[in-house]
Amino acid sequence: DSGVTQTPKHLITATGQRVTLRCSPRSGDLSVYWYQQSLDQGLQFLIQYYNGEERAKGNILERFSAQQFPDLHSELNLSSLELGDSALYFCASSPGTSGGARETQYFGPGTRLLVL
Amino acid sequence: SQELEQSPQSLIVQEGKNLTINCTSSKTLYGLYWYKQKYGEGLIFLMMLQKGGEEKSHEKITAKLDEKKQQSSLHITASQPSHAGIYLCGAPHGSSNTGKLIFGQGTTLQVKP
Repeated sequence: DSGVTQTPKHLITATGQRVTLRCSPRSGDLSVYWYQQSLDQGLQFLIQYYNGEERAKGNILERFSAQQFPDLHSELNLSSLELGDSALYFCASSPGTSGGARETQYFGPGTRLLVL
Repeated sequence: SQELEQSPQSLIVQEGKNLTINCTSSKTLYGLYWYKQKYGEGLIFLMMLQKGGEEKSHEKITAKLDEKKQQSSLHITASQPSHAGIYLCGAPHGSSNTGKLIFGQGTTLQVKP
């Protein structure tokens, strides 16, 4: 158990819909990361938050957005869902003392999203 | 953009055999992480290598970082069924001071009892 929790574990929805994925980082960690894992693209970095502020951005679609709240939990919002958004979405966390650089990221169990 | 290539893509070994997985970067490595993943589950952190020539071991797994070759290797000695899974290497994206990581495509390991 990494100490990172994600809910829900599974999500089935229809195209065009909007969903919210939730992540609670390990106790004390200030940085939260979101990744998408799919068969064709592999594991891709989406976005990093540090203490409530956006720190780094990957190839995150405009239809996707994230935020980190004062209690440090984070949410990833996916809207206007398409079939191709079906994937495993992981959240990871790290202490964030160096902005996340050179830190171990601990991954949550993931949310499996299926868009029908 | 930087890419990580893992080889082999998949591996089937007999229990007790040794094996090596390689991870090669298209650009300079500023550190390297190894993770293990059971299919459809979260990633389990194995090791982080930060300096060229660094070598770390955990139980029967050893990882090395060769900065000159822009490569890392993961070696498992006397493999066991519990070693089966997908091994992923990850690296910091360039020299940025963020936690953005890029990952290889993974190496799937099966260990036959």
